[in-house]
Order: sequence, then C-alpha cells, then structure tokens
Amino acid sequence: QVQLQESGPGLVKPSETLSLTCTVSGGSINSYYWSWIRLPPGKGLEWIGYIYYSGSTNYSPSLKSRVTISVDTSKNQFSLKLSSVTAADTAVYYCARREVNYWYFDLWGRGTLVTVSA
Amino acid sequence: EIVMTQSPATLSVSPGERATLSCRASQSVSSNLAWYQQKPGQAPRLLIYGASTRATGIPARFSGSGSGTEFTLTISSLQSEDFAVYFCQQGNNWPLTFGGGTKVEIK
Repeated sequence: QVQLQESGPGLVKPSETLSLTCTVSGGSINSYYWSWIRLPPGKGLEWIGYIYYSGSTNYSPSLKSRVTISVDTSKNQFSLKLSSVTAADTAVYYCARREVNYWYFDLWGRGTLVTVSA
Repeated sequence: EIVMTQSPATLSVSPGERATLSCRASQSVSSNLAWYQQKPGQAPRLLIYGASTRATGIPARFSGSGSGTEFTLTISSLQSEDFAVYFCQQGNNWPLTFGGGTKVEIK
C-alpha cells in the first residue's frame, strides 16, 4: 500500500532553514495534492501548505513568506523548506496526501520531530 | 481564518463506555468537517469526513454528527485501541485549520 516517509535533520539552528523531504512509496505522486502539516508541542495541528504534482502550490498565509514546497516526480518526493526558523517552529512535521476535489487528508506519514535550538 | 475549538481537552473513559467529543467552528463550515485519530509514534488516521461519513475500514463504533458550527464524534463502546488523541479539521475555507485535539485516556 502507499506509504509516506518524512526525512531530514532533527535539529536546526535559529535563523537557519529547515529542510524536509517526504518520499511516497508503493504508489505514484501524480494526480494528488501533497501537504506539509506540523504539530508544535502542546498545540494543535497547523497546515503549512500543499503542492500539486504538476508544481502548483498554496501556502498558509501565516507562513507564506518563509515557506517553499517543491516536488520531484522522478523521485516520487516532495520537499519543504522553511527559512529563518525560531524556537516557535519546533514541531513534529507531517506530510500528507489529499485527493483532487477533496479537502481532507486520507494518508499521512508518521511525522518527524524538528527542534530549533542553538 | 476559521478557528476550531475542541472540548474537552482530556476525556477519561472506562473501556466499554461511550465517549463524546466536541468540535466547534468560529463560523459555519457546512458539513466540511473531518476527524482524525492519532496514537504516539503513528501516522494520524482519517476517521470521518463530510461530518458523518466513515472512512474506509473505520469501525462502526465511530460516528460523526453535526453541521454548521457544532460537531460531535461519538465512540459508542471504547476499545483499548481507541485511547488516543482526536483532531477535527475544517475544509470549508482556506487555510484548512484543525482543532487543538482531545486526548481520550483510560479512566
């Protein structure tokens, strides 16, 4: 079955750029929307943004100035870059799938903890 | 953006009992409401979408109801595997937003 796996550094220094990759296995990245969602400690889930396999994107207004999401269909991967991070960006980061014309997420990765600290 | 508020933050329930979780939206989201279950170290799992439609493979003991601004997730008879955190999410307006979660713990 299709699985999602997040990967990337677990520790990032303040003011640097957080970079994560989500690998889609067992299925194609085509014809879906792919999102990044995070869960800060003690808070609720926060949608960061999505990318369509064709490359079109949509970002949360609160993070838009710092976020870039890209896709590599040849590797069945999509990636997140979040610049100028602070301690407030410490969270478990999830990648998730959404079907076209639907607004809910039917498949998620297990998540990866990213800590922002010097 | 639409703010989603879940209550209670923690719900203590004995196995076999009924659990009722609430989710409120700051403005109407029609029936564009989903519920997810999350266990430690696992991927979140879609339970309910469209406020009341169970996702594929979800047991019938999970049911959702409501529309507009008030929604409920009911677990009719809690099993050991149901103790987890539950999140609601609205899909009516961008950005998509989630509630803060309800932790269902063993009483």
